[in-house]
Amino acid sequence: DAGVIQSPRHEVTEMGQEVTLRCKPISGHDYLFWYRQTMMRGLELLIYFNNNVPIDDSGMPEDRFSAKMPNASFSTLKIQPSEPRDSAVYFCASSPNHEQYFGPGTRLTVT
Amino acid sequence: GQQVMQIPQYQHVQEGEDFTTYCNSSTTLSNIQWYKQRPGGHPVFLIQLVKSGEVKKQKRLTFQFGEAKKNSSLHITATQTTDVGTYFCAGPGDSNYQLIWGAGTKLIIKP
Repeated sequence: DAGVIQSPRHEVTEMGQEVTLRCKPISGHDYLFWYRQTMMRGLELLIYFNNNVPIDDSGMPEDRFSAKMPNASFSTLKIQPSEPRDSAVYFCASSPNHEQYFGPGTRLTVT
Repeated sequence: GQQVMQIPQYQHVQEGEDFTTYCNSSTTLSNIQWYKQRPGGHPVFLIQLVKSGEVKKQKRLTFQFGEAKKNSSLHITATQTTDVGTYFCAGPGDSNYQLIWGAGTKLIIKP
């Protein structure tokens, strides 16, 4: 298995632009998690899905953030409009049970 | 709310010295997981502990789960440059599949 796949690996955008991050989980994993990591705030859970259904989105910072999982093999995290404070590494992780397997992350820079 | 506290934040060691990081929870945990994140990388699952007083070894790494299931430790014997990175503990949150993460301990090898 290729592991969790994320794209793009790096994204640089200007404030106010829409950003879409993509994730392909490991096949057969029922849980998918979106995290954000910064030096100041560490690793933060944004939202997680079970069987494509959002279970807890209490970590989504604002209405500017939205996430979807239209099928078992694909999820997106969208930020619209983006702001400089959204700059961070965004990780997607999938899980078959309890342990989580992380993708390589997307490093987002908003200027 | 539920918290997982991890100390120290950083540990500088000479290569060959030992390293230990500690995790404490405000509540009893059903399990605890440990992850390693190399510089510029993503968290990688190392192990899950479930039983009270459990001790597990992976080569030079020793993981312990406290008798009360509220604390855990990771000990590395004779550190090597390949051990460099940040070690995170994580316990289950409100949902058994959501994780509450410690802040991480960064292992730094002195030149």
